[in-house]
Amino acid sequence: EAAVTQSPRNKVAVTGGKVTLSCNQTNNHNNMYWYRQDTGHGLRLIHYSYGAGSTEKGDIPDGYKASRPSQENFSLILELATPSQTSVYFCASGEQGHEQYFGPGTRLTVL
Amino acid sequence: AQSVTQPDARVTVSEGASLQLRCKYSYSATPYLFWYVQYPRQGLQLLLKYYSGDPVVQGVNGFEAEFSKSNSSFHLRKASVHWSDSAVYFCAVSSHTGKLTFGHGTILRVHP
Repeated sequence: EAAVTQSPRNKVAVTGGKVTLSCNQTNNHNNMYWYRQDTGHGLRLIHYSYGAGSTEKGDIPDGYKASRPSQENFSLILELATPSQTSVYFCASGEQGHEQYFGPGTRLTVL
Repeated sequence: AQSVTQPDARVTVSEGASLQLRCKYSYSATPYLFWYVQYPRQGLQLLLKYYSGDPVVQGVNGFEAEFSKSNSSFHLRKASVHWSDSAVYFCAVSSHTGKLTFGHGTILRVHP
């Protein structure tokens, strides 16, 4: 039974459109994270959260917002999507100082 | 700032051969270190982790890694690889706040 799930798994969006990526975890972890994965860059941290109601900027937050309405859910929001945001996005959950558990990823294409 | 370098972008070995994937990290304090594996079109799965103590840590599927503070390294090893080990391997370092910094990954190809 998957502990971190993401939806949608695939998304095609138009430039300037709004995109919301959703993540749900059943690990009861306090911390949740959003990364993007691009060839030649590995995984880069976009936003993270220490718990419901909190969001923090990661290493590459520009063009992204995040929302953590509950312990289980963490969303990544692209208000005005651009082609440069075409990527694979991963959500993860974990406790401070410990390993993170990853979802299966969302493949986003912005045309 | 913390950072991770995986100097080998691609490694190719024959099935049954031994394997070492290299990882160098930069972190001011004692790090938490991880190796993750990613199979095609999947998320990352934890192979092993190091927090403290014995510098050689055992992971899943016969993998192990050795922490060296003097060399700032955390190399991954396996005595005999199988074709199913073909994947992308990521080394990562975590601060005590929980933020993970990843290397760019090493693509491992095992010839059957």
